[in-house]
Amino acid sequence: AQKITQTQPGMFVQEKEAVTLDCTYDTSDPSYGLFWYKQPSSGEMIFLIYQGSYDQQNATEGRYSLNFQKARKSANLVISASQLGDSAMYFCAMRFHTRNQFYFGTGTSLTVIP
Amino acid sequence: KAGVTQTPRYLIKTRGQQVTLSCSPISGHRSVSWYQQTPGQGLQFLFEYFSETQRNKGNFPGRFSGRQFSNSRSEMNVSTLELGDSALYLCASSWGTEAYEQYFGPGTRLTVT
Repeated sequence: AQKITQTQPGMFVQEKEAVTLDCTYDTSDPSYGLFWYKQPSSGEMIFLIYQGSYDQQNATEGRYSLNFQKARKSANLVISASQLGDSAMYFCAMRFHTRNQFYFGTGTSLTVIP
Repeated sequence: KAGVTQTPRYLIKTRGQQVTLSCSPISGHRSVSWYQQTPGQGLQFLFEYFSETQRNKGNFPGRFSGRQFSNSRSEMNVSTLELGDSALYLCASSWGTEAYEQYFGPGTRLTVT
């Protein structure tokens, strides 16, 4: 069975500091993708970053980077230079090459403090 | 390019009624997936449609159904509403069933009273 675990229900970070949101996953399928989405209070899921299971390098998108450790089955999101607008729920998700279906974690609520 | 649109954005229904939600994918996208988000269960996959065919289905009762039209627009129907159906319903689109990039709409917030 596929499972995504986010162990941090809430996180606080000072503005301009970096923060790491944890995500671990469990699957026996060798081909999968890992995603991070941001969900502000408005409800829309905003795509942040993607990492393929066969990608050798960690993905980066602007201030977002994904710390992918395949052997440990972890895919932590690092947000550098936090901004007030980063306050939101963050979801880690996994998807498989053969099934167009996301498995989501329970999310982490991030609050950026001025 | 316009994003995924969902209508209505908010809906209040009474227990026992039925409801239809609509999702228009990004132009050119042929796959539409639906998710239910609740505080208790989190985000759960409902079903996926591709080229008017249901390709994948989550673990929801038969009261939840959907369809996709030839222009890729999709509708989701919930019959005999229960209080537990109160949720944010999210639609996501992608160009194909194996595409990794999936874009979400703003959601429809359904309240069942």
